[in-house]
Amino acid sequence: KQEVTQIPAALSVPEGENLVLNCSFTDSAIYNLQWFRQDPGKGLTSLLLIQSSQREQTSGRLNASLDKSSGRSTLYIAASQPGDSATYLCAVRSSEKLVFGKGTKLTVNP
Amino acid sequence: DAGVIQSPRHEVTEMGQEVTLRCKPISGHNSLFWYRQTMMRGLELLIYFNNNVPIDDSGMPEDRFSAKMPNASFSTLKIQPSEPRDSAVYFCASSSGTGETQYFGPGTRLLVL
Repeated sequence: KQEVTQIPAALSVPEGENLVLNCSFTDSAIYNLQWFRQDPGKGLTSLLLIQSSQREQTSGRLNASLDKSSGRSTLYIAASQPGDSATYLCAVRSSEKLVFGKGTKLTVNP
Repeated sequence: DAGVIQSPRHEVTEMGQEVTLRCKPISGHNSLFWYRQTMMRGLELLIYFNNNVPIDDSGMPEDRFSAKMPNASFSTLKIQPSEPRDSAVYFCASSSGTGETQYFGPGTRLLVL
């Protein structure tokens, strides 16, 4: 059974700092991995999707990497801003389903 | 497109009552997913449909939960009878295929007293 873990559960950084969020999964036989953002009281917004054959994806200040063999992914946020404050969830597709981690709650302080 | 639409946004009900949650997926999407999110368990897939057909309902907690998709633009998740432990945020998501990016609705926040 696929399990997804995100560490840390919460992170607080000053504005402007570069930061890395971590995601690990137990079964390396995956189709793809997605990073989502969730704002309080809102739904999830997809940020990046990495196919199993890819090693990274970039979108603006966000860069996600995937190391399938070690069961790890990272989300790198450059020059963080207060507007980046949200919960970031990692989700792995290893069958027809997405399995989610519990997320990292990020606070960027002005 | 308006995105995935869910109603109601908030629901407060008493234990034993029937609850029906509704979802309108993005037009043209043929996969629809129902999730439940709680602090303890995080986000869990309850059931998903492909071309209006339920594919996997192994995440449905028990027989009190049922879901239907009568057509490509509408789905319901019903809880009968509801219990306090069903209190959670229920999300609907849709995608153009089961392996494609899923787009989430704003969720229905359910409180069962």
